[in-house]
Amino acid sequence: QSALTQPRSVSGSPGQSVTISCTGTSSDVGGYNYVSWYQQHPGKAPKLMIYDVSKRPSGVPDRFSGSKSGNTASLTISGLQAEDEADYYCCSYAGSYTPWVFGGGTKLTVL
Amino acid sequence: QVTLRESGPALVKPTQTLTLTCTFSGFSLSTSGMCVSWIRQPPGKALEWLARIDWDDDKYYSTSLKTRLTISKDTSKNQVVLTMTNMDPVDTATYYCARTNHGGYYFDYWGQGTLVTVSS
Repeated sequence: QSALTQPRSVSGSPGQSVTISCTGTSSDVGGYNYVSWYQQHPGKAPKLMIYDVSKRPSGVPDRFSGSKSGNTASLTISGLQAEDEADYYCCSYAGSYTPWVFGGGTKLTVL
Repeated sequence: QVTLRESGPALVKPTQTLTLTCTFSGFSLSTSGMCVSWIRQPPGKALEWLARIDWDDDKYYSTSLKTRLTISKDTSKNQVVLTMTNMDPVDTATYYCARTNHGGYYFDYWGQGTLVTVSS
């Protein structure tokens, strides 16, 4: 069982928006502004999409955005495209005892 | 250009010790703020962070695996090594190394991963 809770799957049609939630506790998501999101296509390594809750690395489309409220972080993908179909994982810093925890992953299907 | 590449045995027997090497280029682990982590992913399952080593040789381990893991670095060779003792079939996974820059809290570059199967 993963430390952070994500929905197992979400779906949307091209052009629509979807939001993926990531729920933790006050010891991880709620305690630090250090949530990151990773996209993983089948057979590939994860790719950083969002860091520090809402910052986008260079090269990541602005269709991807992140936010946080309390112990829940969210990744929103607007203007869905076929190539967005992938697994998405959230990750949070959780303090010096167990520094990083991941979510269980969410499979995004573009209908 | 930052690249990382994992290497190690594809198959290990239960109770054996696994040694994985991450060879990287495009940055130096002697630069302040640079860190390298190991992260694994069992087939069809989620990512799990294992360990991290920093430019100043600080080391961090997963609480649940701490007694089995050792991380080290060879700055001159641009390599980070992870050893995991007492391997079990549940440790079957793709093992990734990933970089953290500026002492941050995210992984900006990843290797392609190496699949390790634990079986007799």
